[in-house]
Amino acid sequence: AQSVTQLGSHVSVSEGALVLLRCNYSSSVPPYLFWYVQYPNQGLQLLLKYTSAATLVKGINGFEAEFKKSETSFHLTKPSAHMSDAAEYFCAVSVPPGYSTLTFGKGTMLLVSP
Amino acid sequence: KAGVTQTPRYLIKTRGQQVTLSCSPISGHRSVSWYQQTPGQGLQFLFEYFSETQRNKGNFPGRFSGRQFSNSRSEMNVSTLELGDSALYLCASSEGHGKNIQYFGAGTRLSVL
Repeated sequence: AQSVTQLGSHVSVSEGALVLLRCNYSSSVPPYLFWYVQYPNQGLQLLLKYTSAATLVKGINGFEAEFKKSETSFHLTKPSAHMSDAAEYFCAVSVPPGYSTLTFGKGTMLLVSP
Repeated sequence: KAGVTQTPRYLIKTRGQQVTLSCSPISGHRSVSWYQQTPGQGLQFLFEYFSETQRNKGNFPGRFSGRQFSNSRSEMNVSTLELGDSALYLCASSEGHGKNIQYFGAGTRLSVL
């Protein structure tokens, strides 16, 4: 069975600093991978997706992630944090690729201080 | 294109009651999936409907049920509500095939008193 591990339930950064949110997955076949963001009292917004094309994927709001098969990782990065990036971020896998059911990590709350 | 619409946004019920939540998918999407989000368990898959048929089911008791109509709109029903059913219920829609990217609604916040 597949699983997703997000290291760190909370990550704190200063405005303008690098954002790095970690995601590792376990899957018997290469999955599709996703990052979603959730703002307070809202649903999940798709940030970016890996669907077996380029391993470095760019998303909205300046975020990007790199699929590393050898490390089974899909870490999310942003060069410079903005106050508006404060939210909860979820990594998810779709196994087999294209399967409708997503398996989510526990989420990482990103805190941005001025 | 309009996004995924969930109604109502908030619900307050008492133990033992039943509740129905509604989800209208993105136009052209034939798959609707439901998830439960709680602080303790995180995001858990309930079930998926595709072309009016339940295609996948998560590990939830039979009190949780759903259906999908011919226009792809979906409803989920929870009978005999328990305090532990208090959660944010999220609906996601997708094309149901191919890359099958899931797009989520804003959710329905259910509070059981």
